[in-house]
Amino acid sequence: EAQVTQNPRYLITVTGKKLTVTCSQNMNHEYMSWYRQDPGLGLRQIYYSMNVEVTDKGDVPEGYKVSRKEKRNFPLILESTSPNQTSLYFCASDRLYSNQPQHFGDGTRLSIL
Amino acid sequence: RKEVEQDPGPFNVPEGATVAFNCTYSNSASQSFFWYRQDCRKEPKLLMSVYSSGNEDGRFTAQLNRASQYISLLIRDSKLSDSATYLCVVKGAYNFNKFYFGSGTKLNVKP
Repeated sequence: EAQVTQNPRYLITVTGKKLTVTCSQNMNHEYMSWYRQDPGLGLRQIYYSMNVEVTDKGDVPEGYKVSRKEKRNFPLILESTSPNQTSLYFCASDRLYSNQPQHFGDGTRLSIL
Repeated sequence: RKEVEQDPGPFNVPEGATVAFNCTYSNSASQSFFWYRQDCRKEPKLLMSVYSSGNEDGRFTAQLNRASQYISLLIRDSKLSDSATYLCVVKGAYNFNKFYFGSGTKLNVKP
């Protein structure tokens, strides 16, 4: 089954921690992306990757890092968590330069106290 | 100006009603268009792609008007289970893989 898998699904932590949210897809997609969704602001892109070792900032990259060492994985790293990173996060993937839609993971709900 | 604009609603309709959502996009060179459905705190799920010729899937019909740069979604015979937020999504032209999301239109179908 084609899917995008995120972990953890839920996490509550405190300010100042280092945190990694994993994302894995099994569709051999080149393009992967991280979004955050906040009430009234819709989905905003944090970072994206067009292939292995190729990553770039989205619209709201501050406070986040990513890596793309393998095609299937695209972890999101919060180096030092802060309360303004409390949000619902989605990973998505799709085929590069296609007219196909994105496939989304189930989401990760982070609460930073 | 936002890349994709939608009426946030909510649209409150009785079961069986027909409801239509519109969405406008700013970049005339955009290539691909989609409607996604999102239930509360869940991931967006593809409802349908939108083609220039229009397309229909059961009770759902999507239309694209390139000249006016808007996309529509028509839901006929609304069901309680149609209650959700509907996201209009446009795939960018120049950065071809970038997706632009509307803020979503909330639909509440009442018994």
